[in-house]
Amino acid sequence: DQQVKQNSPSLSVQEGRISILNCDYTNSMFDYFLWYKKYPAEGPTFLISISSIKDKNEDGRFTVFLNKSAKHLSLHIVPSQPGDSAVYFCAASAFQGAQKLVFGQGTRLTINP
Amino acid sequence: ETGVTQTPRHLVMGMTNKKSLKCEQHLGHNAMYWYKQSAKKPLELMFVYNFKEQTENNSVPSRFSPECPNSSHLFLHLHTLQPEDSALYLCASSQTGPNNEQFFGPGTRLTVL
Repeated sequence: DQQVKQNSPSLSVQEGRISILNCDYTNSMFDYFLWYKKYPAEGPTFLISISSIKDKNEDGRFTVFLNKSAKHLSLHIVPSQPGDSAVYFCAASAFQGAQKLVFGQGTRLTINP
Repeated sequence: ETGVTQTPRHLVMGMTNKKSLKCEQHLGHNAMYWYKQSAKKPLELMFVYNFKEQTENNSVPSRFSPECPNSSHLFLHLHTLQPEDSALYLCASSQTGPNNEQFFGPGTRLTVL
């Protein structure tokens, strides 16, 4: 049973517009969430994280929103740039197993010029 | 060298071979991890080491044998693997404790014939 789900395998967005990537989780013990970005032939690169005591965290063009009651988080990228084209992974961990990251399947984002 | 490096980047082996994957981190971290990513599946945590001690084994078959001689180096020894073990094997490192992002290497693409 997958505890972290990214239901959209792919997303296509026009350059300059907002990209919204979604992630759902089932384990109510998760209290720390991360987004990673992966280019082909490279390992995942950390983008942004959020603790469950917050509902929003912003870093430049990237904002992560957390809705604990819905067990849902989203990553907003605005404005989207061609270099943002990559696979994005959502990950979660629980304090009790803080180093055990559980990953979603990933969403392939394509930014069109 | 900076970040997390992995060698080899690609490996093809037969089911009776013995091989080893190597990971090295230059970030001063004290925790290291092995992950497996099979086709169309999320990243799966295999092992966690903190200060050279194994603290997590995620029900990994004994044909995968990790070794962590110091906080900067991590090995994954492989023997009598099966074709279904073909996957991308990723190493990561982090500071110990909760809420610390993990930094990934580029991975080793393993094919078992």
